[in-house]
Amino acid sequence: DGGITQSPKYLFRKEGQNVTLSCEQNLNHDAMYWYRQDPGQGLRLIYYSQIVNDFQKGDIAEGYSVSREKKESFPLTVTSAQKNPTAFYLCASSKIRDTPYEQYFGPGTRLTVT
Amino acid sequence: EDQVTQSPEALRLQEGESSSLNCSYTVSGLRGLFWYRQDPGKGPEFLFTLYSAGEEKEKERLKATLTKKESFLHITAPKPEDSATYLCAVHPRGETSGSRLTFGEGTQLTVNP
Repeated sequence: DGGITQSPKYLFRKEGQNVTLSCEQNLNHDAMYWYRQDPGQGLRLIYYSQIVNDFQKGDIAEGYSVSREKKESFPLTVTSAQKNPTAFYLCASSKIRDTPYEQYFGPGTRLTVT
Repeated sequence: EDQVTQSPEALRLQEGESSSLNCSYTVSGLRGLFWYRQDPGKGPEFLFTLYSAGEEKEKERLKATLTKKESFLHITAPKPEDSATYLCAVHPRGETSGSRLTFGEGTQLTVNP
């Protein structure tokens, strides 16, 4: 089955610690994305990548970092510089060369920092 | 600046009571408009893509329509299992946007039995 996997589903960390969220896709999509969702709010774009070894900041990139060493993988690191890291994190992927450009989402990782 | 506004924020229906959700958008050219369904604690599930004004797509009790300024998601004779948050997103035509989408904040639909 093709799809997007995110791990872990739940993650707990202490303040001051960096944490890395995993995202893998086997849809052969070129582009991958990271979103943050807070309760009762829409999706806010953190980072996205349209090609291996290249990525762009989204609307709320401060305190986050990413890498794209393989087409299938796009891990997100939440650093200690992120002031309010507790949230639901969603990874997505899409084609970019041919329409349609809809994004497909993973199941999400709920991060709690105390 | 590209903007997507969804209304209402929340909608309560009785089972079988048809209604519509609205997605108004302001973009510099539209490549596509997307509807997603999101259940609590899960990732959004893709429903429809609409490309041009006048286009319609249907899936079971859902029908999405598109005009030059807005899209509607019509829900006919809803059932409790249709309860979810429905998200609208647009893919602008501007070159600087790349493949990124702009999402609305969603409409939370509750269908009571």
